[in-house]
Amino acid sequence: EPEVTQTPSHQVTQMGQEVILRCVPISNHLYFYWYRQILGQKVEFLVSFYNNEISEKSEIFDDQFSVERPDGSNFTLKIRSTKLEDSAMYFCASSELYAGETQYFGPGTRLTVL
Amino acid sequence: ILNVEQSPQSLHVQEGDSTNFTCSFPSSNFYALHWYRWETAKSPEALFVMTLNGDEKKKGRISATLNTKEGYSYLYIKGSQPEDSATYLCAFWARSYNTDKLIFGTGTRLQVFP
Repeated sequence: EPEVTQTPSHQVTQMGQEVILRCVPISNHLYFYWYRQILGQKVEFLVSFYNNEISEKSEIFDDQFSVERPDGSNFTLKIRSTKLEDSAMYFCASSELYAGETQYFGPGTRLTVL
Repeated sequence: ILNVEQSPQSLHVQEGDSTNFTCSFPSSNFYALHWYRWETAKSPEALFVMTLNGDEKKKGRISATLNTKEGYSYLYIKGSQPEDSATYLCAFWARSYNTDKLIFGTGTRLQVFP
């Protein structure tokens, strides 16, 4: 069964460094999402992406964050200058159709900022 | 502020017991209600997506109901098994002129003892 994959599973970085989190969504899906979960808190929406542009972004998704679909398969989340509070589990998801449809999640990347 | 609440936060039951959890969400800007099952170190797995008031969905021993007018959904597990142990997340798809995203609850952590 097709699945969403994410790399790396765990990323440790120094404050101020740039990180790129990678995702490979399910191949025929058209909508892509990033979420994060800070330890002990709710899963939070970051951004949705369709047709090579951002559809919606949350207030968390400030200028430090960017997303890209550099080729036909990868979907990346870049954090330009990481802060301690960016430490979280980051999940990628994709859906075949819009919005209310089932989203398929990857296993997540745990980002630790020191 | 759009908020999703789940109760209880955690639940411990014996194998064979039936159990249920609640998800409360705003009754305005409703588009869809998602339930996910999330085992530790795995991807959240979609259980149900419900859109219509009065919807009832079933998948094996797990079923869910939806009341959009009063803003709640119930998830039922009949005859719990140890493999049902997981965190059950509900997520409300909010859609209005200025929002279009999944908003998650904190989850209900279920542990089923043999």
